[in-house]
Amino acid sequence: EVQLVESGGGLVQPGGSLRLSCAASGFTFSSYEMNWVRQAPGKGLEWVSYISDSGRTIYYADSVRGRFTISRDNAKNSLYLLINSLRAEDTAIYYCARDRILDGAFDIWGPGTRVTVSS
Amino acid sequence: QAVLTQPSSLSASPGASASLTCTLRSGFNIATYRIYWYQQKPGSPPQFLLRYKSDSDREQGSGVPSRFSGFKDASANAGILLISGLQSDDEADYYCMIWHSNAVVFGGGTKLTVL
Repeated sequence: EVQLVESGGGLVQPGGSLRLSCAASGFTFSSYEMNWVRQAPGKGLEWVSYISDSGRTIYYADSVRGRFTISRDNAKNSLYLLINSLRAEDTAIYYCARDRILDGAFDIWGPGTRVTVSS
Repeated sequence: QAVLTQPSSLSASPGASASLTCTLRSGFNIATYRIYWYQQKPGSPPQFLLRYKSDSDREQGSGVPSRFSGFKDASANAGILLISGLQSDDEADYYCMIWHSNAVVFGGGTKLTVL
């Protein structure tokens, strides 16, 4: 079964750091581009970051550039998001999403991991 | 002004059709973009429905019924998700999305109520 499962979320104080992980299974992870998307409580979807299949090409949303770092380990079938200098507005569910080959559609999503930034 | 604007809510009756619009900001040409549509139900991640750029460049998501279809209204600079034969299970939030300048933009979402 094609699956993505995020982990690493939790309650963090403002200014803290967190590393989110996304474990992929059921498909050839190294062939797919990947993304992180977040959703604040009661709000819409916000794209966060993209990484190419090789990891050589990376894009960030303006709102997170400089604080967030996306990476991947194809040998471990895993995607990561390192979040530094956490702010209250980073509170959200964070989803990893597979980018369909040559299409741009996010065809597989994980269930998400919740990040809460609060003192 | 947001890049993609969606009405916040829409109501329709079972069996009827619903047109969900996704308007692209002035200065952006809808013809050049693939519009992606997602459905999200409470407590669940989004699910990909379909992609539409033109009648020759379109793709349905895996297992997505043909009741869901995509169009464009060039005069309104908008993408449209048409849902025909509405069912109670179609009640959800719907988001449009585009890729622009190495970034992804989502619309604010439309909450569809079927009653």
